[in-house]
Amino acid sequence: RKEVEQDPGPFNVPEGATVAFNCTYSNSASQSFFWYRQDCRKEPKLLMSVYSSGNEDGRFTAQLNRASQYISLLIRDSKLSDSATYLCVVNGRDSGGYQKVTFGTGTKLQVIP
Amino acid sequence: DAGVIQSPRHEVTEMGQEVTLRCKPISGHDYLFWYRQTMMRGLELLIYFNNNVPIDDSGMPEDRFSAKMPNASFSTLKIQPSEPRDSAVYFCASSLDRKLFFGSGTQLSVL
Repeated sequence: RKEVEQDPGPFNVPEGATVAFNCTYSNSASQSFFWYRQDCRKEPKLLMSVYSSGNEDGRFTAQLNRASQYISLLIRDSKLSDSATYLCVVNGRDSGGYQKVTFGTGTKLQVIP
Repeated sequence: DAGVIQSPRHEVTEMGQEVTLRCKPISGHDYLFWYRQTMMRGLELLIYFNNNVPIDDSGMPEDRFSAKMPNASFSTLKIQPSEPRDSAVYFCASSLDRKLFFGSGTQLSVL
C-alpha cells in the first residue's frame, strides 16, 4: 500500500460546480497535512494546511479525519483558474526524528467552461 | 523574501556531459529537498538535508548523482555523466515548520 494515495482523476467539472478530493495515508503517526496545487510546467505551491477542526479559505475547505486516516479538499463554485493538479502532502517523523515528507501522486482537475 | 532560487531554469546538454544544478533556499529554513519530476514517474524525492547534513539519499537513482550543501544558503545537485533518461524537471524545496516551498525548477534535457 502506498503511504499516501490519491485518485489521479482527471476530474472534469463545469464552472460553478463543487468538487471534492480525498487522500488517504497509511502512517497513523503522521503529524501535519497539506494540500498543494501544481499548475502545468510550474512548481507545487502550498494551497492550505489541513487541521482536524477543518479550515476554510474562501472557496476552499480542507478537512482531516485522523480516525479514518484521510484528508479532503472541497472546492466550491469552481473557476477555470482552479484547473491544476492538487497534491496531498503528509508530514511526519522518521525513526531518527527527522522530518519525513510524503507527496501523493496528485489529482488532476479540469474546470470546463 | 525572494523564495527558493534555482539555476539554471533550463539546461540542454549532450549525453555524457556533467550537469550541475544550483539552489539557494529561503533564509532560516532548516531543511532542503531535491526532487525530480517526470510525466511517467511523477514527483520523486532524491535527497534531503537537515542543517546542511544529508539525511536520506535513498532516492538518488545511482552513483552518477551527487548532492552537496556546503552551507545553509547553497546546495548543488550534480549528474556525471548525464544520460537521456535523466531528462526531467528538477525541483529544490526548503522547509520550515513542516511547510515546503519550492523553487521554479530546472528543466533538464539530455540529448
